[in-house]
Order: sequence, then C-alpha cells, then structure tokens
Amino acid sequence: SQTIHQWPATLVQPVGSPLSLECTVEGTSNPNLYWYRQAAGRGLQLLFYSVGIGQISSEVPQNLSASRPQDRQFILSSKKLLLSDSGFYLCAWTVDTGAAYEQYFGPGTRLTVT
Amino acid sequence: AQSVAQPEDQVNVAEGNPLTVKCTYSVSGNPYLFWYVQYPNRGLQFLLKYITGDNLVKGSYGFEAEFNKSQTSFHLKKPSALVSDSALYFCAVRENSNYQLIWGAGTKLIIKP
Repeated sequence: SQTIHQWPATLVQPVGSPLSLECTVEGTSNPNLYWYRQAAGRGLQLLFYSVGIGQISSEVPQNLSASRPQDRQFILSSKKLLLSDSGFYLCAWTVDTGAAYEQYFGPGTRLTVT
Repeated sequence: AQSVAQPEDQVNVAEGNPLTVKCTYSVSGNPYLFWYVQYPNRGLQFLLKYITGDNLVKGSYGFEAEFNKSQTSFHLKKPSALVSDSALYFCAVRENSNYQLIWGAGTKLIIKP
C-alpha cells in the first residue's frame, strides 16, 4: 500500500532563516505531487505541483520554491522566511487511475515563523 | 471556470441526528467531485468521490453523498451523527484541464453530545 511521509512534524523558525520541508511517497511510482498551505485551520492554498522529476509548476508567486530531485521526493524551500509563511503545510500525491485523481495527503508540517 | 462553494461555515448537529454538509459546484463538462475530512492538526483524509453512475455515493465512516446534477450539488450526509464526526470537511472538484483539485473553503462540523 502507498504511504506518504512529511517531516518535520513541527518547526519554529525565526524570520529570515531558511526552510526545507521534505515529503516522500512510498508504494507508487511517477506520482503527481503537491504542496499546499493551510492558514488558520481553514482553506487550502495550492503552492506547487509536479508531474515528474524536475517538473515544477508554481501557483502562487512568493518567496517559496519547490524541487523534485527524485520520483517520490518533493521538497519545499525558502531562503528567507517571512512571518506570513507561518501555517500548516501539506504534501499530497495522486496517480492517474483513469478519471478520479483523488489526492492523498501526508500528516502535515506546522510551521511557526517568529 | 470551475468552482466549489460550501455555503455553511459551521454546522451544529446533536449526536444521533442526521447530518448534512452542503456543497455546490460549477464545472464545464462532467464533474468529478470529492469529499475530505480533516481532524485537528492532521492531514486531509479522502472520504468519497463521484465520477459517474449512481447518484448516491457511499464512503468511509458511514458517510454518503448525493450528486444532484440539476441543482449542481454534492451534499455530504450521514444518518446518525457521532461526536467523533466533529471535524473540518472539504468538498472539491477536479479541474478538467490539469491534475488539480479546486477546493471549497471548508465547513466545520460540530456534533454535540
């Protein structure tokens, strides 16, 4: 069966510091991968998605970036964090099963920028 | 453009009563619709989906959803609510042109004992 991992689970970082969040998927190949941010326990904002190694699409211009160095690894980064980067970051994956494209989510990373 | 609306910010239901969480959508072409649940500080969990066929879709934890094409709705239902059903619920529709889901704003469901 497929599983998705995210780490760290929680992170407290000062303004201006760098960021690296990692997401890995097991039990599947060539997944589509997604990074979302959820502010204040509510709506989801799609940040990046990837359909393959090295292929990244950005949905929201900001100081965050994403990379996909391996098929099942997706990394979210920042060179200098802002207070507004605080939130709950969720990684998700999906595979083409015909028409459904339901996404499966990791446990999330709670980021607090101080 | 595709869109999803969850008109209720919060729904309060007494334990044992039936519950409904509303979702309406706007799509071009055939809709692919989804419901997810999120417990505090957790990732989203997939509940159920509608692709085609029977308008009543059954999912996890006793939930079901009714697809109504004429009303462009996909309401989530459960015959008898449990306190443990208290969570944040999201409706989503698949974007036709790419691999993305378009998400509703979420509805907080509170089940009171």
